[in-house]
Formats: sequence, structure tokens, C-alpha cells
Amino acid sequence: IAGITQAPTSQILAAGRRMTLRCTQDMRHNAMYWYRQDLGLGLRLIHYSNTAGTTGKGEVPDGYSVSRANTDDFPLTLASAVPSQTSVYFCASSEGVGTSGGGQFFGPGTRLTVL
Amino acid sequence: GQNIDQPTEMTATEGAIVQINCTYQTSGFNGLFWYQQHAGEAPTFLSYNVLDGLEEKGRFSSFLSRSKGYSYLLLKELQMKDSASYLCAAMDSNYQLIWGAGTKLIIKP
Repeated sequence: IAGITQAPTSQILAAGRRMTLRCTQDMRHNAMYWYRQDLGLGLRLIHYSNTAGTTGKGEVPDGYSVSRANTDDFPLTLASAVPSQTSVYFCASSEGVGTSGGGQFFGPGTRLTVL
Repeated sequence: GQNIDQPTEMTATEGAIVQINCTYQTSGFNGLFWYQQHAGEAPTFLSYNVLDGLEEKGRFSSFLSRSKGYSYLLLKELQMKDSASYLCAAMDSNYQLIWGAGTKLIIKP
């Protein structure tokens, strides 16, 4: 693989179910991010990780959890999905925090519908 | 609070020039990014400005005025493939990106 992959591509989920969105990068980037994108709103940061073993809360963390056991993987878990979590979820990575010139690289996204 | 403003939608003609404006208010500032996002796809990095002035990259240029909290993306010689949303994002003092809602650019033949 080259870049960032996300799985699944799309998912329809019943409310109350647990769901893990997967994200893997092969660029050896230190920092990784999870965003949600909703119509008419900018990308909103859910959680981030500046380096393996550390995580932090973004703008909209409630109802989501993350882990960063190694450099490559950064899964996002919805413990008990609710309809307001219907969105497109993007995973992104960057070389490091504040490595501004290179920007963030995005995965293809996961379209999640919670019914 | 932190805020990014950009127009919701713009229309331009193939071959022409278009300027997409962005104003920002953030807690601290570590640079301004522009991304392109085609419908149904992921955002892709276009440009980064941290110093005042114009950065040119082929048909695309980006300008920054830190004192005015203002940036623009200039697209020249528009092509149909430039039809996309253009996202402005400012990096705050915590090195987190604050995103605008995006400007949908429609190119007409």
C-alpha cells in the first residue's frame, strides 16, 4: 500500500451497535488524526495522536475513542452509535506536529450511516 | 473563538481566473493551508503559507496577509477538472487545523 487506507469504505449501522473504523498508513508519519465531515460544516477534529502511544481529544470527541499502539495504525471506535454520528470520516497523517509545510495527507474516507 | 470564513459557492468560466478568499481568526497562528476536494473524494494538499506574500505553484497561487487575517487562492487558466471544493484551514497555536466549510467552485464551459 502507499499512503493511507481506511476500512470499511461505507457502513450502515444500527443505533446502539459498536463499530471500529480502521486506518493504516505506510509513510511512517508520527502524527495521525480523525475528522468527521458533515454537509455545510468544515472538517472537525475528533481525536489525534502526535506519536505512537499518545492520543488527544479534538473538537468533537464525545462518543468516540482511539488508540495508537504503533506508528501505522489509528483505529476509531464508536462505543454505542447514535444517528448524529452519521457522517463521512477521514483519517489523516502528517510527518509530525507542526511540520507545517508538508500538510496532512488524507485517507479515502468511510461513509457511515447510523439508523 | 476560532473561525474560518470563505464563500459557500463560486462560478467561473473555463480558461478564466478565479480568486477564492478566506478570512481567519485563531488562537495563535502557525500557517494557512489550502486543500482541494473533489466530490466524494478526500481532500488533497494544495498550498501552505506562513509568511506574508504570494506563493506560486503552476496555475495555482496562494496569498497571505497575517495582519489582516486574510488569504486567497488564485486559480488561473481554469479547466473543467478544477471543479471541486476548496478548503481553507488555519493552524492554531496547538498545531491543530481549524477548517472552513469549503468553497464549491463550479466551472462552466
